[in-house]
Amino acid sequence: GENVEQHPSTLSVQEGDSAVIKCTYSDSASNYFPWYKQELGKRPQLIIDIRSNVGEKKDQRIAVTLNKTAKHFSLHITETQPEDSAVYFCAASRRDKIIFGKGTRLHILP
Amino acid sequence: NAGVMQNPRHLVRRRGQEARLRCSPMKGHSHVYWYRQLPEEGLKFMVYLQKENIIDESGMPKERFSAEFPKEGPSILRIQQVVRGDSAAYFCASSLKGQENTEAFFGQGTRLTVV
Repeated sequence: GENVEQHPSTLSVQEGDSAVIKCTYSDSASNYFPWYKQELGKRPQLIIDIRSNVGEKKDQRIAVTLNKTAKHFSLHITETQPEDSAVYFCAASRRDKIIFGKGTRLHILP
Repeated sequence: NAGVMQNPRHLVRRRGQEARLRCSPMKGHSHVYWYRQLPEEGLKFMVYLQKENIIDESGMPKERFSAEFPKEGPSILRIQQVVRGDSAAYFCASSLKGQENTEAFFGQGTRLTVV
């Protein structure tokens, strides 16, 4: 079955700097890659997603890249702000079964 | 659209009791997923259901756990004879019928504590 690896597990960046989270997946048939943000005690919420026919997508300070050949995808957050502190999950999906990575806890340092 | 509704939000059970967790998907959604989240850990896939069908239960423990999504009413995740290790947050998510690669919307979760 699908396996999603996510790195790093914890990431601390200075406010205003960029943060990058990387994921790899195993099932080459996966074709949808969402990213979720989970704040403490709350539900995961979708922040951005990318489909396999696209290599890059950007939404304000957030961008995702996808390399289907290498089965890698990444989340980039620029100009980080305190409210970006949360746990971020990558996921890979094929036929609606969504498998999540283990999450990255992002700390934004003042 | 009220979103994905889970209840109860918090559930306390003694060891050996049964826990029933309910999930009402978003209106029009017929795909439901259950995930388990231990403290400080990620979302572990348990089961994927469509109306009246279990599509994939590869993440469900073989014993004590069961799930259903009847034609009418919410999806139910049932844990029999709970043990302390079952304490976790259980999240339900739903996605739109008939479409692949669409966003899954999460409920607020049910936090189960076994005492």
